[in-house]
Formats: sequence, structure tokens, C-alpha cells
Amino acid sequence: DADVTQTPRNRITKTGKRIMLECSQTKGHDRMYWYRQDPGLGLQLIYYSFDVKDINKGEISDGYSVSRQAQAKFSLSLESAIPNQTALYFCATSDPRQGTYEQFFGPGTRLTVL
Amino acid sequence: SQKIEQNSEALNIQEGKTATLTCNYTNYSPAYLQWYRQDPGRGPVFLLLIRENEKEKRKERLKVTFDTTLKQSLFHITASQPADSATYLCALDRRSNYQLIWGAGTKLIIKP
Repeated sequence: DADVTQTPRNRITKTGKRIMLECSQTKGHDRMYWYRQDPGLGLQLIYYSFDVKDINKGEISDGYSVSRQAQAKFSLSLESAIPNQTALYFCATSDPRQGTYEQFFGPGTRLTVL
Repeated sequence: SQKIEQNSEALNIQEGKTATLTCNYTNYSPAYLQWYRQDPGRGPVFLLLIRENEKEKRKERLKVTFDTTLKQSLFHITASQPADSATYLCALDRRSNYQLIWGAGTKLIIKP
């Protein structure tokens, strides 16, 4: 089974709709991240969470919100989707206690906003 | 502002040769640098991490160098194979909160 899972894998929605992307992990990591990836650009950090009670804005948080329901679950919401939020969205986890600082990514959600 | 540059053009390499990818950064002094591999439609996968006090790191056919004076990292794949074809991303830490700054990646194509 995959360590980091994302649902849905693909989503087409209309402008103005509220949608939620979900992320679950079985790695036992405290730290979780949401990124978006656009063609020709590096991954951009939307939100990150160091534990259930610690949620922080990333570099492009406007138009997004998150919820950390448990250590294993981190959801991303688009309150009112707009076309320029069309992108590939990734959830990731890390555990710096392991000393490598590597991040483990889910398979991604391809979101299209019409 | 902090900036990371990777060659945006695809790199075509003949099978068996060494592929070398470049990651340059400006206005920044990272504590460590990471390289990831990303296949189409998939999430990035971690390959190697090199710290600021390390000049070189190796893992099997992979080698990473880190020159903090030039503000550059080189990523080498020796004896390249078609299966090495992918996009390779470099990422630098922000020295706080363990956030990473990501390059846009370089697409590597290994031709048989």
C-alpha cells in the first residue's frame, strides 16, 4: 500500500465551486505539506503543518485553506475555485527526526477549474 | 529574492554516457540541497541530500556536488540508461521551518 495517498486523483470543477482535496499518510510523520505544480515552475508551497495544532501558510496560500484532522490526515480546500487554480497538487510528509529532511510525496491530484 | 535555476531545456544523452544536470541559486545560503526524480503524472521521489559542508555525495550511479562559492550543485548519472529518463528537481532548504525552495526541473532523455 502507498505510504501517502491523495484523493481524488483527478477532478474537474467549475468556477465558484468549493472543493476539497484529501491526503492520508501511514508513515507516522508529523510534518505534512501541500504544494501545487504548474508547467515550467517549481513546486510552490501552499500550506504546511508540523503537527495537528500547528498549521502555517506557505508562499501561495491565498484562495486556499487546510485542515489537519489527525496526524495522518491533511486536507486542502479551495473555497471558491477559479481557473488559475488549475494545476497538479501534491501532498508530502517529512520527519526531520530521521535526519535526512527528505519529503515523501503522494501521487498528486490533477485539478481542472473551468 | 531567492532564486533557483535549472536548465529548462531537455537534456538528451546517449545511453551509456554520463548525464550532468545543473542547479544554480542566488541570494541564498542553504544548509543543504536535495535532488528528486519525477516521472510524468507522479510525485517527486527523493534521490540524494548534500549538506553545505560536503563537497560530494555518491549513491550507486549517482553523484552530487555542492559548491557554495559558485552557488551551484551538479547532479551526475554515470552509465546512463533509458530508464533514467525523467525530470530531475533540485530543492534547497530555507534554513528555518524545514521548508524547501524548488527548481522547475530539467527533463532528461536517455536515448538507446
